[in-house]
Amino acid sequence: GAVVSQHPSWVICKSGTSVKIECRSLDFQATTMFWYRQFPKQSLMLMATSNEGSKATYEQGVEKDKFLINHASLTLSTLTVTSAHPEDSSFYICSVPGQGDTNYGYTFGSGTRLTVV
Amino acid sequence: DAKTTQPPSMDCAEGRAANLPCNHSTISGNEYVYWYRQIHSQGPQYIIHGLKNNETNEMASLIITEDRKSSTLILPHATLRDTAVYYCIVRVTTGTYKYIFGTGTRLKVLA
Repeated sequence: GAVVSQHPSWVICKSGTSVKIECRSLDFQATTMFWYRQFPKQSLMLMATSNEGSKATYEQGVEKDKFLINHASLTLSTLTVTSAHPEDSSFYICSVPGQGDTNYGYTFGSGTRLTVV
Repeated sequence: DAKTTQPPSMDCAEGRAANLPCNHSTISGNEYVYWYRQIHSQGPQYIIHGLKNNETNEMASLIITEDRKSSTLILPHATLRDTAVYYCIVRVTTGTYKYIFGTGTRLKVLA
């Protein structure tokens, strides 16, 4: 499967500021990446599909103006949490489809734990 | 909505086989069954996938019923490091298709 690097692994920010999370596909050119959010003791919730060179597709209930996604190259997608508030504190995870026929499924980043204070 | 149902939690003694069931009664003919696990505070890790035949790799075995409405992930000799949340997902493999996670099974391996 693809090798995925997600950065930072954790971040603490003040309420009202913006935070950018990066997801890099190190060995695979990904035209599509996915962003998930996970609250404590809950499952992963798909937020949006990041599309290289075009607008992201957001899941129902996810504010596109708050969670800005940019997929400017085949190896990098970024998620920016704008005007963060304590309720945005969560674990954010990206995933990248595998190569070819996805024999190994999708590869997930190691996640970013965001704490808004 | 997630298309799978799993028991919320299971315990298994270290060294014994862990059998994790998954129900996917509405699975379509072109959908595969994928299993992932998530160790605390990490991203999910791929384990195995299959269509209709049983599959085995270095991590686990996957048994899919003949009608494909359910499957079982088998960890043959569970260790403490296998303690994690295990997710069963169904999806097509043609094109890029998003994963929808269900609630998963929290497996606790006991010493």
